Amino acid sequence: AQTVTQSQPEMSVQEAETVTLSCTYDTSESDYYLFWYKQPPSRQMILVIRQEAYKQQNATENRFSVNFQKAAKSFSLKISDSQLGDAAMYFCAYRRTNFGNEKLTFGTGTRLTIIP
Amino acid sequence: DGGITQSPKYLFRKEGQNVTLSCEQNLNHDAMYWYRQDPGQGLRLIYYSQIVNDFQKGDIAEGYSVSREKKESFPLTVTSAQKNPTAFYLCASSPRDRKANTEAFFGQGTRLTVV
Repeated sequence: AQTVTQSQPEMSVQEAETVTLSCTYDTSESDYYLFWYKQPPSRQMILVIRQEAYKQQNATENRFSVNFQKAAKSFSLKISDSQLGDAAMYFCAYRRTNFGNEKLTFGTGTRLTIIP
Repeated sequence: DGGITQSPKYLFRKEGQNVTLSCEQNLNHDAMYWYRQDPGQGLRLIYYSQIVNDFQKGDIAEGYSVSREKKESFPLTVTSAQKNPTAFYLCASSPRDRKANTEAFFGQGTRLTVV
């Protein structure tokens, strides 16, 4: 069974600084998707960034980027120039790509605090 | 606007009663999911459905039931067999086509409290 592990329950960063959130996963599949979701105090889940396992290039979305290490099964999220609005719970998630099994598995989350 | 709607936002239930949480989507997504969120435990999968009239148990299905009679709808029933039902429940949907956007879209959640 696929598992997703986030080993940092809480993280904090000074405003305008850079922070990296860690995620590891366990799978025997070679093709899959990885996601980072953000959950602000409103509790609405928002997609931050997506990575397809067969793509070598790390995904980037503005201030958000990932470090995808397929062999190590690691998928960390880097937030540059941290802003107060980045304060939220961040969840890493995994999903297989093969048709017929779209189970989406989440980690336990990391609570990110931004220090003004 | 396309989206996924959960209702109600807050729900109170007496012990021993069944209660049904609604989830409707107009995104034409085939896959739908129910998650339970407790403090410190992230999102745990209760049930998911990949097509109409089919669904699979997730990691914590005991005490819950679902149906998928229509593509748009995936209601979750919390039965009296669920020993600790007080939690925040999230519904999500996603497409199945590899060529399409693969992200899951979430509803705004239902907070269930047993009184």
